[in-house]
Amino acid sequence: QQQVKQSPQSLIVQKGGISIINCAYENTAFDYFPWYQQFPGKGPALLIAIRPDVSEKKEGRFTISFNKSAKQFSLHIMDSQPGDSATYFCAATYGNKLVFGAGTILRVKS
Amino acid sequence: DAGITQSPRHKVTETGTPVTLRCHQTENHRYMYWYRQDPGHGLRLIHYSYGVKDTDKGEVSDGYSVSRSKTEDFLLTLESATSSQTSVYFCAIMPGDTDTQYFGPGTRLTVL
Repeated sequence: QQQVKQSPQSLIVQKGGISIINCAYENTAFDYFPWYQQFPGKGPALLIAIRPDVSEKKEGRFTISFNKSAKQFSLHIMDSQPGDSATYFCAATYGNKLVFGAGTILRVKS
Repeated sequence: DAGITQSPRHKVTETGTPVTLRCHQTENHRYMYWYRQDPGHGLRLIHYSYGVKDTDKGEVSDGYSVSRSKTEDFLLTLESATSSQTSVYFCAIMPGDTDTQYFGPGTRLTVL
């Protein structure tokens, strides 16, 4: 099954709070899991990525947690800021192809 | 935008007319992709290319064709546009030494 299921569809967080977006997959052949951030009118931009042999990766305020046995992974944004307001997509790679989740619209209220 | 340009950036066309979108890269990467983005669906792969004249279908290829006669250019053609093809189209490239795809700025296409 070449699907990645993403939740929630939208999320509102107070400034300084933690934003959490979750994704789940079925295909165990997926071997690379990037997260993309997209601002209105722009193309998606790589935010952070992880491989399935690692359980967590942190870059600044952004952390990916990966649970291989549950086939789930999540993005945590610590100390969320209004500038983080954007659409976030999880994705998974098999071969040379990317499969995207449906996206989460994040709004950070100041 | 990773050395990727897309043209046109906006286009409005009539049902039944042919439309060609262009993706141009400056780095001569082997892999190039076309996606469409629609609310609630994320990005879905239309076609991709792994070299000059080497292309393959993606998840939503019906109604679309592609061509790649030069490394730097990847063209997406809608032979006879339909209203269901109203969408935002993104081109992406993937450098050979990575699994990461980098996206262009997009083309907003409206089919009336």
